[in-house]
Amino acid sequence: DTTVKQNPRYKLARVGKPVNLICSQTMNHDTMYWYQKKPNQAPKLLLFYYDKILNREADTFEKFQSSRPNNSFCSLYIGSAGLEYSAMYLCASSPDQGAGSDYTFGSGTRLLVI
Amino acid sequence: GQQVQQSPASLVLQEGENAELQCNFSSTATRLQWFYQHPGGRLVSLFYNPSGTKHTGRLTSTTVTNERRSSLHISSSQTTDSGTYFCAFRGSALGRLHFGAGTQLIVIP
Repeated sequence: DTTVKQNPRYKLARVGKPVNLICSQTMNHDTMYWYQKKPNQAPKLLLFYYDKILNREADTFEKFQSSRPNNSFCSLYIGSAGLEYSAMYLCASSPDQGAGSDYTFGSGTRLLVI
Repeated sequence: GQQVQQSPASLVLQEGENAELQCNFSSTATRLQWFYQHPGGRLVSLFYNPSGTKHTGRLTSTTVTNERRSSLHISSSQTTDSGTYFCAFRGSALGRLHFGAGTQLIVIP
């Protein structure tokens, strides 16, 4: 299976409530990424795991958490959702962190915060 | 600053016409990729093309590394080509992909 799976496909959340998004891959990829995509904007990297090491982008450091309990699974956690979190969240994986290999993206989770 | 610039921002074609999408990037460390986003949201890798020219079907990607630019040519466009095309490159060893804002392509019958 060469796909990245994301659940759920759609998520409705209330302002102030937590949100947990799930991603999995069975390609034994070293690195898993989470991107946020808003309409008419470029996908924005939020964080990534290289093996067990979490790297969070400086401007989203406090807003998002993640866990990777094993190689196949990675979650994205929002402790208290705000309206500005409404977006498509894309998970991706790659076999390594620097060489020329492709990324594989999941279908995304569309989050709507109300 | 803006590390990846794509043009045009949007493009409307008649079916059968050709399209040329442009990407300019600020770093010489390329590892450039082109992605296609389905209207439903999934990003699909079209080309990993750090330099030179690659073909697949009606698509051709050409990257000129020392000029920091890449192009995606779509020949004989079809309505199913409609969607958003992103250019992205990796500027560091940590694998971060820097995306452009995308070119939205609409192909009308």
